[in-house]
Amino acid sequence: DVKVTQSSRYLVKRTGEKVFLECVQDMDHENMFWYRQDPGLGLRLIYFSYDVKMKEKGDIPEGYSVSREKKERFSLILESASTNQTSMYLCASSRTGYDGELFFGEGSRLTVL
Amino acid sequence: RKEVEQDPGPFNVPEGATVAFNCTYSNSASQSFFWYRQDCRKEPKLLMSVYSSGNEDGRFTAQLNRASQYISLLIRDSKLSDSATYLCVVIHNYGQNFVFGPGTRLSVLP
Repeated sequence: DVKVTQSSRYLVKRTGEKVFLECVQDMDHENMFWYRQDPGLGLRLIYFSYDVKMKEKGDIPEGYSVSREKKERFSLILESASTNQTSMYLCASSRTGYDGELFFGEGSRLTVL
Repeated sequence: RKEVEQDPGPFNVPEGATVAFNCTYSNSASQSFFWYRQDCRKEPKLLMSVYSSGNEDGRFTAQLNRASQYISLLIRDSKLSDSATYLCVVIHNYGQNFVFGPGTRLSVLP
């Protein structure tokens, strides 16, 4: 059974803390993505990576960074969390190509106080 | 203007009804098209691809009109279990750029 696993389902952090969200996929996919999902705004792409050590900014990269040191792992980092980063964060992976299947993790709900 | 737009919803329909969702996209270079389903507090999952010739999967029919840049999803004989948010998705750049619509929420009522 294919799987994308996110390290934490629920996190509560304080303003200014550094936050790491980790994601691991077991499908040998080239592409990995971080989205955030907010009511009324839908899914918005933060960053994606199409290869180890490669990264591309998405629509809302400000306040975030990412790391992809191994093909199966893609980390999202909030250097100094702020209350407007309270959200549901979804990691996903896909093969390169047009078959359209994006596999998501279960999500990490982050609350910044 | 958002790149992918959908009916705002929510759609509240009785069991057994037929319901149709519409989606428009603005980027004519979009290469592939899909419908995803997202249950409450769950992650999105692929429902079906959308082909120019139209395609059907049981009670679900998807259509694509490239000239009008329009995608549709028809659900026949709605079930309670169809209640979810339906997301229209377009792909660019050989699968490296998935653009999601905001989603349309469907509630099927007994």
